[in-house]
Amino acid sequence: AQKITQTQPGMFVQEKEAVTLDCTYDTSDPSYGLFWYKQPSSGEMIFLIYQGSYDQQNATEGRYSLNFQKARKSANLVISASQLGDSAMYFCAMRENSGYALNFGKGTSLLVTP
Amino acid sequence: GAGVSQSPSNKVTEKGKDVELRCDPISGHTALYWYRQSLGQGLEFLIYFQGNSAPDKSGLPSDRFSAERTGGSVSTLTIQRTQQEDSAVYLCASSSDRGRAFFGQGTRLTVV
Repeated sequence: AQKITQTQPGMFVQEKEAVTLDCTYDTSDPSYGLFWYKQPSSGEMIFLIYQGSYDQQNATEGRYSLNFQKARKSANLVISASQLGDSAMYFCAMRENSGYALNFGKGTSLLVTP
Repeated sequence: GAGVSQSPSNKVTEKGKDVELRCDPISGHTALYWYRQSLGQGLEFLIYFQGNSAPDKSGLPSDRFSAERTGGSVSTLTIQRTQQEDSAVYLCASSSDRGRAFFGQGTRLTVV
């Protein structure tokens, strides 16, 4: 069964606007970690942000924040003040603390337009 | 090394040949992952190693694929009798326990 679901294959946003990339997950493990990675056209995987299931506050890293809604099992990435360089594929991932497998969603392609 | 190193960066091979892809993880990282990414697609999990535990091979697509990790460090992914559908970028990542995963630059495999 798919553990990570990213329902938006592609998204457009205008420069300087905010954008939300959706991610829902499925787990029965009470302890887990959620990750977002960015993959530009160069192919490298760049870590963006991490949220632990027991973290009381939503994670933030600069222009990136994670809208963590535990009861809904969603971990949406919010990018504020989009820049042209944000155009890339974005992947959501989860690791359950009962194991070490790191499961990725299928990704969302973000295009930032001038 | 400072980061995860993969070699070769590019590999072109003839159908039916065997290939070996190498991954040198960050020193001290106990977990090592292999993923496959076809053009424009997501990351397909292949296998992971964690410390001295038996690897999780549940993602290997066929028995032509195998991987080993020697001495808890360097890992080699071997594809035997390569097929055209094996063409993809093979990504390796490592992490310390359950920390964030650091990725290598990948090996682009082309089977002709």
